Amino acid sequence: DTGVSQDPRHKITKRGQNVTFRCDPISEHNRLYWYRQTLGQGPEFLTYFQNEAQLEKSRLLSDRFSAERPKGSFSTLEIQRTEQGDSAMYLCASSLGRGANFFDTDTQYFGPGTRLTVL
Amino acid sequence: GNSVTQMEGPVTLSEEAFLTINCTYTATGYPSLFWYVQYPGEGLQLLLKATKADDKGSNKGFEATYRKETTSFHLEKGSVQVSDSAVYFCARSGGSYIPTFGRGTSLIVHP
Repeated sequence: DTGVSQDPRHKITKRGQNVTFRCDPISEHNRLYWYRQTLGQGPEFLTYFQNEAQLEKSRLLSDRFSAERPKGSFSTLEIQRTEQGDSAMYLCASSLGRGANFFDTDTQYFGPGTRLTVL
Repeated sequence: GNSVTQMEGPVTLSEEAFLTINCTYTATGYPSLFWYVQYPGEGLQLLLKATKADDKGSNKGFEATYRKETTSFHLEKGSVQVSDSAVYFCARSGGSYIPTFGRGTSLIVHP
């Protein structure tokens, strides 16, 4: 168990550029979550995968954001035409979901995050 | 508004003091409740959880009881240590409830 890893750890970009982040979950985990966290706030849910299927996406999420998990393992989060308001820490978490509920009570294991700064 | 509300920090205590961090939530059903902790320079990690009313979660000397009647999940510890200094997040999830976190409460414990 090597834990959840995220790459890069830091990204500085200019407004209008596209960025892509990667998350590698714990290998046997079937569920993967993306969150955004700004200073002084808790993680804000962005989207959720069970295996390769994206099952939920926050209504607050702009169309500029897209996420994939093509083989049910690693995931990518892309932000197109970045804006200064996108500056935040982007967190990934994974879990081994056993229940039938849409969001189970399984423990989520978080990665270290990718800090995005949009200039 | 936010469906998970935590007391504002920072909470500053001396070692061996009693800790309470308040958390209340809104829900019409029966979500599961969690406390996550983030130590300096580290990622969030689960501290404890409770999945139904009146359940008590406990870990590392911390406890929290799922109170349906008061929609609360307050975190307590009888005797804090300097190593408990961290940011604590209350969260709600399960069933149809997307994971929702409070704003976090910073705890600073002095020797």
